Amino acid sequence: EVRLEESGGGLVQPGGSLRLSCAASGFTFSSYPMNWVRQAPGKGLEWLVYISWGSVTISYADSVKGRFTVSRDNAKNSLYLDMDSLRAEDTAVYYCARETSENWVYYFDYWGQGALVTVSS
Amino acid sequence: SYELTQPPSVSVSPGQTARITCSADALPKGHGYWYQQKPGQAPVLVIYKDTERPSEIPDRFSGSRSGTTVALTISGVQAEDEADYYCQSADSGGVYRIFGGGTRLTVL
Repeated sequence: EVRLEESGGGLVQPGGSLRLSCAASGFTFSSYPMNWVRQAPGKGLEWLVYISWGSVTISYADSVKGRFTVSRDNAKNSLYLDMDSLRAEDTAVYYCARETSENWVYYFDYWGQGALVTVSS
Repeated sequence: SYELTQPPSVSVSPGQTARITCSADALPKGHGYWYQQKPGQAPVLVIYKDTERPSEIPDRFSGSRSGTTVALTISGVQAEDEADYYCQSADSGGVYRIFGGGTRLTVL
C-alpha cells in the first residue's frame, strides 16, 4: 500500500523557518518524481514545487521561489521542504504528492494527509 | 504562465448529471487531470490524461476534452459525490504544474 506521511508542521513566527518531511512507503520512492502542494484555509490547491526522482530537475512556483527549498533522500525514502522567511500567507496545509512516473504526463496519483503550518506571532 | 478557469459552484439533484468545465487561456501541451476533495481530506485523483479513470473510481465519473477545455462529468450523481473538484495541468514544457480554482459540487 502506498503511503505518504507528512510531519514537521506547527506554529512559527513571521520570518521564521520550518522543515517539513514526507515519509514514503509501499513503493520504490527513488523511481518517482515528487511534489509539494499547499492549501490555505478555505482556499484552493496551490502547487509549490516539483523534484525529479534523482533531484536533477527542480521547479518552484513563483510564490515560494527563493524562500523554499525542496530535497529528497532516496536512501531514506523521504522528501523534505525547507521553508524560510515565512509569511502569514504561507499558512496552509502542506501536502506531499507522488507524481506519475509516466513520461510527459503530470498528475499526482497519491497524496499524504497533509501537515498544517501556521505562521503567526 | 497560464490559468485554468473553473466555475466556482455547480448544483445538481441526486440522480442527475453534473458537468464541471476547466478552460485554459492558452493551449497547454499536456493533458487535464481531475481531483475530488472532501472536507478535511486529501485530494483524490478521479480522472487522468483527460479521459482515463483510476480503477477504484466509480464509472459514473468520466472526462472529456474539446480544444482548450476539459470537462468532468458525473452521471447519476450521488450524495457522496458532494465535494470540491479541481482540474490540473502543466505548462507546455512540463516544468510547472497548475490547478484550477476549484468547483464546489452541491447535491441538492
